[in-house]
Amino acid sequence: SQQGEEDPQALSIQEGENATMNCSYKTSINNLQWYRQNSGRGLVHLILIRSNEREKHSGRLRVTLDTSKKSSSLLITASRAADTASYFCATDFQGAQKLVFGQGTRLTINP
Amino acid sequence: KAGVTQTPRYLIKTRGQQVTLSCSPISGHRSVSWYQQTPGQGLQFLFEYFSETQRNKGNFPGRFSGRQFSNSRSEMNVSTLELGDSALYLCASSPLSGNPYEQYFGPGTRLTVT
Repeated sequence: SQQGEEDPQALSIQEGENATMNCSYKTSINNLQWYRQNSGRGLVHLILIRSNEREKHSGRLRVTLDTSKKSSSLLITASRAADTASYFCATDFQGAQKLVFGQGTRLTINP
Repeated sequence: KAGVTQTPRYLIKTRGQQVTLSCSPISGHRSVSWYQQTPGQGLQFLFEYFSETQRNKGNFPGRFSGRQFSNSRSEMNVSTLELGDSALYLCASSPLSGNPYEQYFGPGTRLTVT
């Protein structure tokens, strides 16, 4: 399967702590994106990193991409209760105009 | 700009029936993609339409079909519903088809097949 794998499947931390989620994929990509989904709702785009980029920041989000290891990580700093959601990585592979999503990481921020 | 809208938001159908879901993309977006989300299979790509043409298709049976109109609105149809078709169906729009492929998602249609 081309589907990415995310690690961990679930993560529970205290408010104010940092949360790190990882994503691995199998084939060469054009871009990698991270999305957030609140329970049973649509996905919200967080950040896109291109295959020739290694790190990108957006507010409290930091994404890294290591194409040699075919992996990416999403770091959320100073977590808040509102960050409780599922987080998905999505890749569009070279030669395929579609997004392939990982299984997601369920993040719970405890007050 | 208004976001992606999907109708209906919730739907209950009986096995064997057919269903049509609707998606209105963000104004100016010409690409519309559909995804199925289930607890077991996760988010799976169904198909993408761009300028009324199907550009890409996922690995779903022919019971799943779609179309796009000249105003970029899209519909997807599922015929002969099966229990396993119960899922959240998400529509996403994008300004262009291709790279980069940033998607803007609607709230989804929750389909329950009984």
